[in-house]
Order: sequence, then structure tokens, then C-alpha cells
Amino acid sequence: AQKVTQAQTEISVVEKEDVTLDCVYETRDTTYYLFWYKQPPSGELVFLIRRNSFDEQNEISGRYSWNFQKSTSSFNFTITASQVVDSAVYFCALSEFSNTGGFKTIFGAGTRLFVKA
Amino acid sequence: EAEVAQSPRYKITEKSQAVAFWCDPISGHATLYWYRQILGQGPELLVQFQDESVVDDSQLPKDRFSAERLKGVDSTLKIQPAELGDSAMYLCASSPESGDYYNHYGYTFGSGTRLTVV
Repeated sequence: AQKVTQAQTEISVVEKEDVTLDCVYETRDTTYYLFWYKQPPSGELVFLIRRNSFDEQNEISGRYSWNFQKSTSSFNFTITASQVVDSAVYFCALSEFSNTGGFKTIFGAGTRLFVKA
Repeated sequence: EAEVAQSPRYKITEKSQAVAFWCDPISGHATLYWYRQILGQGPELLVQFQDESVVDDSQLPKDRFSAERLKGVDSTLKIQPAELGDSAMYLCASSPESGDYYNHYGYTFGSGTRLTVV
């Protein structure tokens, strides 16, 4: 069964600190996709990254980096030199192909990040 | 940049009343999703459309919720009658994929409709 666990409910850091948001997933499929979304106070979920199950390369985009490890079923997200604008709720999500057609995506409960000036 | 449009942005309604939300996905996106997000939780899928057809509505409380996407473009989600527990953010998302197993692009979300039932 699909499951996404974000064990950290809230994290508070001071600006310029590095912070890692954890994501652990469960799936029986060999083909699946993992995502991170950001939800600022305005409410809209903003796509950050997609990773498929066959690509374990880590990725860096500016201050953001992602560490995908199939051996531990984890897809962690690190923000380097955090800024106040990074304050938001971050969701990890898992997509599996559904027998009803298309992909079915479930989201973790989210991690609320507070970055203090 | 193309957006998913949702309206209204906020809605306050009394319990037992009917309420409707509208979503216009990005042009050309075949797949449309309605998610419900209760405060402090992650989004949960209510219904998924592929063009005008419902692909998955297993989590939709069909006794009071209905959804349609008649021409395979915009969509309406309705609740009748609304209950206090329906207070949540209702998010619409769209995706360009057409059900291909090997391609999944993720979703573009709208800004949501925040529903408060009093």
C-alpha cells in the first residue's frame, strides 16, 4: 500500500541555517514517482521537484537539494542557507500507476518550516 | 505562466446549504483532480478525471458530493448539503498526461477554495 511519512511536523531555524526535511515512503511498485511541493501561506501548492524510481541521482537546484535513497525508501529535501521566504509547509508526495488509469498520488502530512530573521 | 483557475477563493456557508466550486485547468491538460485539504493535513484526492470521464472517485462521499467535467475542460465540485466537517481547502490540479505509464509530470495546482461551514 502507498504511504508517505513526514515525521517532522514543524521545524524552526534561524536564517542562513541549513535544514533538512525528511520523507519516507512505502510502495510495492517498482515504477513510481516522488515529488516535493511547497505551500506558502497563500495556499497554492508549488511544484519543486519530480524524481522517478529509476533515477537515484541526487539533484541540486540553487539552495535546494534532494537526496533519493531507494535502499532506505527516503527522499529528503535540504535547504542550504535558509531564508525567511522559505517559510512554508512542504509536502512530499508519492505517485503510483493506478489500475483505474493514470497515476494516483498521495501526500504526506507536511512539514511546516519557520525561518526566523 | 499558465495557471489553474479556481473560484471562489473563499466561501462561507451555513450547514445544510449547497455549495459549488469551479476549476478551469491549464489549456490542453487532459487530467484534472480535486483534492481536499483539512487544516494541518496533506491533500487527499476526492476525484480524478481523464478528459470528461471519472477515473477515480473512490474517496468522494457520494451521498453529498458530486463532480462533473462535462466537456473535458472546466469542472465543478458540488456539496449538498454541506456539513461542519466539510470545512477545508478544496484544491484543483491539472496535468498534461494522458494515462501513459511511463510519463508522470506532476501537477499544477490552483490557489484553492477555502470553505468554512458554520
